[in-house]
Order: sequence, then C-alpha cells, then structure tokens
Amino acid sequence: DAGITQSPRHKVTETGTPVTLRCHQTENHRYMYWYRQDPGHGLRLIHYSYGVKDTDKGEVSDGYSVSRSKTEDFLLTLESATSSQTSVYFCAISLTGGGYEQYFGPGTRLTVT
Amino acid sequence: SQQGEEDPQALSIQEGENATMNCSYKTSINNLQWYRQNSGRGLVHLILIRSNEREKHSGRLRVTLDTSKKSSSLLITASRAADTASYFCATDATSGSARQLTFGSGTQLTVLP
Repeated sequence: DAGITQSPRHKVTETGTPVTLRCHQTENHRYMYWYRQDPGHGLRLIHYSYGVKDTDKGEVSDGYSVSRSKTEDFLLTLESATSSQTSVYFCAISLTGGGYEQYFGPGTRLTVT
Repeated sequence: SQQGEEDPQALSIQEGENATMNCSYKTSINNLQWYRQNSGRGLVHLILIRSNEREKHSGRLRVTLDTSKKSSSLLITASRAADTASYFCATDATSGSARQLTFGSGTQLTVLP
C-alpha cells in the first residue's frame, strides 16, 4: 500500500462521540486525500490537502474536519459521529496533484451505532 | 455527483476469457484513470490515459478513450482468477485549489476458474 498507513483499521463508536482517523505516509507526497466508500456510490472525496496547513473541501465535507500539521500526517475528524457516517474511509496520496495517479491506504472501517 | 459511471455493474466470466468494462462521463476531462480494488483493500492504480490519446496498453490491459462519446473501455485479456476485483474509472476535474478525481461506482468482475 505504497507507504501509507491508516489508524485505526476498525472502529466502532456511538452516535455523538468525536472520532479521529489518522493517515500517515512515508512517501513525502504533497497531496493527501480522504475519501469515503459506500455501496453504490464508489469513492467520494471528503477533504484534501495540497500542503502543510493547506486544506480544502471535497464533495461530501459536511460533518468532517481535517488537519495537516506535518507533511506525513493527515487527520480526519468527525466532531459528532452520526450513523450516516458509517462507512469505509480511505486515505490517498499523490505526488503531482489529484488529476494524476493516486496511491491508497488500506482503509478504516468505521461503524457508528 | 459522480462523473464516471461504469457498465456493467457486475460481470462474471470464465478464466481465459476477455473482460470488457465501460465508463461514461459527463464533462470534459484532462485524463481518465482505471483502478482495481480487491476485496477489503485499497484501490490500486492500473492505467492513465490522457484526453489526447485514443488507446493505451499495459500488459494484459487495453484502455480506449473516445472523447467525442465521453466514454472509455477497459479490456482485460486472458483473464485469471486473480483478476477478480472491482474496477473503477476516475476522471479529473479542477475544483477549489487542486485537481480532483471523481470515481464511478465500479464494475465487480468475477473470474471463475
């Protein structure tokens, strides 16, 4: 998985609790992305980062926030988890920007009960 | 909204046969990519074709792009059981501060031994 790790790999949490997912890369790639994958929807972009402390919203950003204080780490936070945020979350990185090849992490399966 | 839509949603073939998957998209693109996802894993980049290219090969993969019809096809020749996976097309679009990829909902390919 191209030097990308995600933690935790599995998490079960209750509605209303905060959750933070971590993506760590060892490739020194500038661009990092968070996607969610749900049946019938493919992958949808939540947020992305184009450098340290530089982030922007994707297609489905409501209810999520991100932070990137170091090149290698990109955090996704659900401030108050809801059942609709039950999903598999993937982190991806890209050297040259989102229009080109992206490398994906192994995913985090999040269940909100 | 999804830019790329794959067809068929599911495909089952015998080992040794060829598999063809199609992708249609709605707006102008700079490039189109195909990714593979094995069950429970992250996506893996297969091939990128630029808007000014009509065909590209990589091993047993052949991708075509018809920008006039806004469609692409992925052909896997002499399929193997290990090719069983979901296949996604992804198109790029410029939004916000960086180019982003938009994924279709995928074709589930099953290769029977």
